[in-house]
Amino acid sequence: GDSVTQMEGPVTLSEEAFLTINCTYTATGYPSLFWYVQYPGEGLQLLLKATKADDKGSNKGFEATYRKETTSFHLEKGSVQVSDSAVYFCALAGGTSYGKLTFGQGTILTVHP
Amino acid sequence: NAGVTQTPKFQVLKTGQSMTLQCAQDMNHEYMSWYRQDPGMGLRLIHYSVGAGITDQGEVPNGYNVSRSTTEDFPLRLLSAAPSQTSVYFCASSQAGISMNTEAFFGQGTRLTVV
Repeated sequence: GDSVTQMEGPVTLSEEAFLTINCTYTATGYPSLFWYVQYPGEGLQLLLKATKADDKGSNKGFEATYRKETTSFHLEKGSVQVSDSAVYFCALAGGTSYGKLTFGQGTILTVHP
Repeated sequence: NAGVTQTPKFQVLKTGQSMTLQCAQDMNHEYMSWYRQDPGMGLRLIHYSVGAGITDQGEVPNGYNVSRSTTEDFPLRLLSAAPSQTSVYFCASSQAGISMNTEAFFGQGTRLTVV
């Protein structure tokens, strides 16, 4: 079946540091890939998505590129802010899980001033 | 817009008790689903529904029941709570099954503790 693997966390950074959260996936066919963010005490929100190979999703300064050759969808941001502190989830839809989301484990990000 | 509303936000149950987690959406979405979130395991799909009267099992359905009598509501029932069901539960809805053109909207979650 489909699966998503995220880098081990938690991640702690200082403000304005560069962020990378790794995400790799296993799926048949051509899944769509997503990053969701969960701020403290809230539900998940869609951060960005990419629907085909080499697509780049971007939002709020975050970017991720759909790399089919490496089955990866790493999340990056050039300069993080305290307000970016949250849990980040990589997810896919499609493959054998048509219509349903398969999530990675989640990565806790804490940004200090 | 209220979006997806879950109640209650917090609940403590004793082993063996039953309860229903409520989920309602006001976006006229056909597709609704329940996930549980556990540390180190991400979100796992419990049950989902593709429309009123139609439900199906997800990855971890044991111990949970669902029904979908209306488009708006999708309650999750725990018939006999167990400590292993201690988790944070999220309800989600979308216009259709998740695809390149569909976004899922999540409720704020219900934190359930079974003692």
